[in-house]
Amino acid sequence: KAGVTQTPRYLIKTRGQQVTLSCSPISGHRSVSWYQQTPGQGLQFLFEYFSETQRNKGNFPGRFSGRQFSNSRSEMNVSTLELGDSALYLCASSYGRVNTEAFFGQGTRLTVV
Amino acid sequence: AQTVTQSQPEMSVQEAETVTLSCTYDTSENNYYLFWYKQPPSRQMILVIRQEAYKQQNATENRFSVNFQKAAKSFSLKISDSQLGDTAMYFCAFMIPTGTASKLTFGTGTRLQVTL
Repeated sequence: KAGVTQTPRYLIKTRGQQVTLSCSPISGHRSVSWYQQTPGQGLQFLFEYFSETQRNKGNFPGRFSGRQFSNSRSEMNVSTLELGDSALYLCASSYGRVNTEAFFGQGTRLTVV
Repeated sequence: AQTVTQSQPEMSVQEAETVTLSCTYDTSENNYYLFWYKQPPSRQMILVIRQEAYKQQNATENRFSVNFQKAAKSFSLKISDSQLGDTAMYFCAFMIPTGTASKLTFGTGTRLQVTL
């Protein structure tokens, strides 16, 4: 059974640009959550999707957005990139409405220069 | 708001020895889940062990066990017979299952180094 797949693994962008990150959950999983990991702020929750609906959103500016498709794949978008957006972005998938067992991907390392 | 505190930024243990990582949390909720995740250099977060708050029995998974003290809001992880492959960042996490949404709140992590 394939795990959670995040693409791309690494990304370098320039300030002011926008970026889209992709997450393919484990087959059959309908819940996808996104987290940002930085040395300064640690792991912070971005948003959560279940069956194409955003159920929960963390305390991030509107530049951060996401969506989930009918096949449960999810994308997150960051517009007008800032240097502080440099981070490891982790995606987690789980089967049901409650993430009592979340499986994480290997993350996308975003560097903003 | 729920908070998770890991007071040990770094720890070191010799191979085959036992080590305990500390975690405390703060919540007014009665139903919640606690987790320990491992993040090796490959960056992928791996679930080590999970504890449901309403279960008094401490969870165990092979060499990993927890000491869950609900009244003290403490959730420590004990690793027995440490192996070199246990070298990683360990994160304690907390989650309240609302039925409509759930998110993990993480501590700041403990970097564990297993040495020969």
